Amino acid sequence: GQNIDQPTEMTATEGAIVQINCTYQTSGFNGLFWYQQHAGEAPTFLSYNVLDGLEEKGRFSSFLSRSKGYSYLLLKELQMKDSASYLCAYMDSNYQLIWGAGTKLIIKP
Amino acid sequence: DVKVTQSSRYLVKRTGEKVFLECVQDMDHENMFWYRQDPGLGLRLIYFSYDVKMKEKGDIPEGYSVSREKKERFSLILESASTNQTSMYLCASSFREMVTGELFFGEGSRLTVL
Repeated sequence: GQNIDQPTEMTATEGAIVQINCTYQTSGFNGLFWYQQHAGEAPTFLSYNVLDGLEEKGRFSSFLSRSKGYSYLLLKELQMKDSASYLCAYMDSNYQLIWGAGTKLIIKP
Repeated sequence: DVKVTQSSRYLVKRTGEKVFLECVQDMDHENMFWYRQDPGLGLRLIYFSYDVKMKEKGDIPEGYSVSREKKERFSLILESASTNQTSMYLCASSFREMVTGELFFGEGSRLTVL
């Protein structure tokens, strides 16, 4: 089946760190993806994890634990431009992406 | 710079009208996708295509059809629009070997059906 969850909305302060969690349940798994979507714009690719562990890419890092069905996106040194929705998706056994509903991140000064 | 272009950002149509949503990509991608995005729901796959003249149903194909006559163009057709098809429609493309799962999205077409 398709089951993926992430918080609906989070608020954080400029300059701080925020962690956005994503949990999933699937019998077939080919990787976990994070996309960023600013309001009114196209989603853009942030990261891909297929093995357990942390992948760092500048201010953004993504973590995966396949045994726990869990991933998080870590954003450091938050900037106002990081206000966006963050979409989590896993790739199933048919190589199709199954999407979470997205987490709206609000950054306050 | 890679680009996926959707023909209309905003459309307003009446129930029963035929609606065409066009998508063009300039990256020579084999794979193209149509999703709809609704508040509180994840992206839902309507149709996809791995090659010219080829199409596959996604999770919610009912009420929609597609056409892929050229590699760079993937069209979504609503034969008879209904109010429950009011939504944001996103087109995306990728290389055939989508190992990393990176999709390139258009900016979306917001359709309102009255």
